[in-house]
Amino acid sequence: DAKTTQPPSMDCAEGRAANLPCNHSTISGNEYVYWYRQIHSQGPQYIIHGLKNNETNEMASLIITEDRKSSTLILPHATLRDTAVYYCILWKTSYDKVIFGPGTSLSVIP
Amino acid sequence: NAGVTQTPKFRVLKTGQSMTLLCAQDMNHEYMYWYRQDPGMGLRLIHYSVGEGTTAKGEVPDGYNVSRLKKQNFLLGLESAAPSQTSVYFCASSRQGKRFAGSQYFGPGTRLLVL
Repeated sequence: DAKTTQPPSMDCAEGRAANLPCNHSTISGNEYVYWYRQIHSQGPQYIIHGLKNNETNEMASLIITEDRKSSTLILPHATLRDTAVYYCILWKTSYDKVIFGPGTSLSVIP
Repeated sequence: NAGVTQTPKFRVLKTGQSMTLLCAQDMNHEYMYWYRQDPGMGLRLIHYSVGEGTTAKGEVPDGYNVSRLKKQNFLLGLESAAPSQTSVYFCASSRQGKRFAGSQYFGPGTRLLVL
């Protein structure tokens, strides 16, 4: 049973911010929100994760709502190389594994 | 560091044949995983290991076996291949400790076609 829901596809203009939403309304208090992406034919790549606070690294920013029921991954200046499938995943330390859903296919358009 | 490597990159099998997929990591990671990816299905966990000599079932373990005889290697075996096992197989690893298991490093994948 899927614990996160994401739109199946999104478009974004090159150079603009890409905002990818994820709904996780049944998230438990100790579950982290993780984001991965998979560029065509390659293995998935870890992007960022967070628990309650917003997080930023060199790749992206993660905004988690105060009630933690949803989050948004932000790619501040999307490039063509950001075209990929983006996965939002819930994980906590009692899990030995992560479960990937179908994700969001992001197309960055010139 | 090579990270996570997978052998072979591509293989064609006939129904009923057997084969072993090899995953190797040079990051001294404790946890290792095998996933399969089918069109429109995302990634699904087949088996995983939390340490040398240990294995556990994931979401879709039927038809596969695994072994973790050495910490750096995780083998996925298909005893009698079926067309339904046509897929792309990804191996991943993560650092020791459950708190790191959410951050996984993936290999480039093995494309398997079963005729």
